[in-house]
Amino acid sequence: AQTVTQSQPEMSVQEAETVTLSCTYDTSESDYYLFWYKQPPSRQMILVIRQEAYKQQNATENRFSVNFQKAAKSFSLKISDSQLGDAAMYFCAYRRVNTGTASKLTFGTGTRLQVTL
Amino acid sequence: ETGVTQTPRHLVMGMTNKKSLKCEQHLGHNAMYWYKQSAKKPLELMFVYSLEERVENNSVPSRFSPECPNSSHLFLHLHTLQPEDSALYLCASSQVGISYNEQFFGPGTRLTVL
Repeated sequence: AQTVTQSQPEMSVQEAETVTLSCTYDTSESDYYLFWYKQPPSRQMILVIRQEAYKQQNATENRFSVNFQKAAKSFSLKISDSQLGDAAMYFCAYRRVNTGTASKLTFGTGTRLQVTL
Repeated sequence: ETGVTQTPRHLVMGMTNKKSLKCEQHLGHNAMYWYKQSAKKPLELMFVYSLEERVENNSVPSRFSPECPNSSHLFLHLHTLQPEDSALYLCASSQVGISYNEQFFGPGTRLTVL
């Protein structure tokens, strides 16, 4: 079974600084999807960034980028120029490639990110 | 943030009550999901509906009963719950058949069982 591990329950970063959130996963599949979701205090979970395993290039979305290390099964999220609005729970998630059926996401336990002035 | 809506946002119920949670998606998706989110635990997938048919049920107790009358609506019927069922219940939807099949989440219902 696939598992996702986020070893940092809480992280803190100063405004305008850079922070990296860690995620490792375990799978025997060769192709899959990885996601980072953000859950602000208002609780609506939103997708931050996604990566398909067969793509070697790391995904980037504005201030958010990932460091995808397939051999190490590592998928870290880097937030640059941190803003107060980045404060939230961040969840790493894994999904097998099965476009013909409803997807099943496996989530980590989350990392709570605090942003300080 | 209005793509997936959930009502009520907060619910307090006794162990003998019967209540229902409602989810509605306005994204034209064909799959819907119920998740349970408890503190310090990963999100637990409870039920999956694809094209209005239940395709997954992760050994959820029978006191939780899902219903998907059409592709836009999903309900979670609750009866004789236990205090350990107190959690945030999240609904999500996605479009089966596209590559990422990304799930879009609602704001959740905070359930407290007394």
